[in-house]
Amino acid sequence: QVQLLQSGPEVKKPGASVRVSCKTFGYTFINNAISWVRQAPGQGLEWMGWVSTENGNTHYAQKFQGRVTMTTDTSTGTAYMELRSLRSDDTAMYYCARASWWELEASLDYWGQGTLVTVSS
Amino acid sequence: DIVLTQSPGTLSLSPGERATLSCRASQTVSYTHIAWYQQKPGQAPRLVMYGTSSRATGIPEKFSGSGSGTDFSLTINRVDPEDFAVYYCQQYGSSPHTFGQGTKLEIK
Repeated sequence: QVQLLQSGPEVKKPGASVRVSCKTFGYTFINNAISWVRQAPGQGLEWMGWVSTENGNTHYAQKFQGRVTMTTDTSTGTAYMELRSLRSDDTAMYYCARASWWELEASLDYWGQGTLVTVSS
Repeated sequence: DIVLTQSPGTLSLSPGERATLSCRASQTVSYTHIAWYQQKPGQAPRLVMYGTSSRATGIPEKFSGSGSGTDFSLTINRVDPEDFAVYYCQQYGSSPHTFGQGTKLEIK
């Protein structure tokens, strides 16, 4: 069955970078893009961006442009999200989610379990 | 950016009642690209509805979606205890793919 398994929790200091991984199982990796969504404690969902698993093309929310990089490794079926220049308000649960197909305009049909990133001095 | 406003913020119902959740967009959503997600405490979101009115895999027929343009809704006929959760709408027709702030469906 389809599964997305994310890396473990991270604690970072302000100004540092974090890289979250998302390993996929149970389907052909390049057939579905990956999106990243975050959720601050007690808050709603925030879409961060999208990466094509077919060609590596990316589309980031303007808010994160210049600070985020989303990549994929087709040899292992793994997606990565790196966020730089961390601030305290980046403290959140970060989710990877499988897009329902390879295009940008897609709903998110399977989700990882989430990775808690805590930014604290 | 398209802003999605969900109402009500909290919906208190008894099991067996009908739930109607609303999602209003600040601009027309392309191709009815609206999805709904269910999130229970401590869990990742789960896709419930996509393309406005198509149920995701494993979602029972009591869930239905409708709408077009800027007004969309999710209806749950005869709410069961496992349906109580927070529901988010999302538009994925234009970037960024924004979410609504959520409607909490709670037991009355």
